[in-house]
Amino acid sequence: DAGVIQSPRHEVTEMGQEVTLRCKPISGHDYLFWYRQTMMRGLELLIYFNNNVPIDDSGMPEDRFSAKMPNASFSTLKIQPSEPRDSAVYFCASSSGPPRFFGPGTRLTVL
Amino acid sequence: QQQVKQSPQSLIVQKGGISIINCAYENTAFDYFPWYQQFPGKGPALLIAIRPDVSEKKEGRFTISFNKSAKQFSLHIMDSQPGDSATYFCAANIGTSGSRLTFGEGTQLTVNP
Repeated sequence: DAGVIQSPRHEVTEMGQEVTLRCKPISGHDYLFWYRQTMMRGLELLIYFNNNVPIDDSGMPEDRFSAKMPNASFSTLKIQPSEPRDSAVYFCASSSGPPRFFGPGTRLTVL
Repeated sequence: QQQVKQSPQSLIVQKGGISIINCAYENTAFDYFPWYQQFPGKGPALLIAIRPDVSEKKEGRFTISFNKSAKQFSLHIMDSQPGDSATYFCAANIGTSGSRLTFGEGTQLTVNP
């Protein structure tokens, strides 16, 4: 098993641009989580899905953030428009319960 | 409000020594307490977890000690090795869905050879 796959691994963009982060969870897992990690705020849950359905998006910072899970093997996190304060490492995790396996993360830098 | 407080922020241990990281929580509804290990450039990985119905759980060199009355739990790494050098996060959750894991601030462990 390849584990949780995220792409891209690094993203550098300019303020105002749209950013799309992608995640392929481990096959068979029914939970998918999106986390953000920064030095200041640590690890924060943004949103999680159960069986492809968004269950709790209360951690999504604002309307600029959106997430989808069109099927069991793919999820996206979109930021539009991006701002410098969105710079962070974004992790996707999948499991059959509490987060167990995290992807390698996408390091986002918004200039 | 920080619901899980972790200490120390950083820890240096000699090879073969015992590493101890502590966490304290406030919400008595928490009923799942995992520890994660994160290496530089990697995502966190679940290391070991405990539920409050037991006071200790051991997996290899890693042990969680849990004190429900004090609302504290700790990670002990026995015979620490340089390969254990990483950042360790405690966390707490309510229920089994893992939906609202609250993470501690993290402890950067360095094990010197």
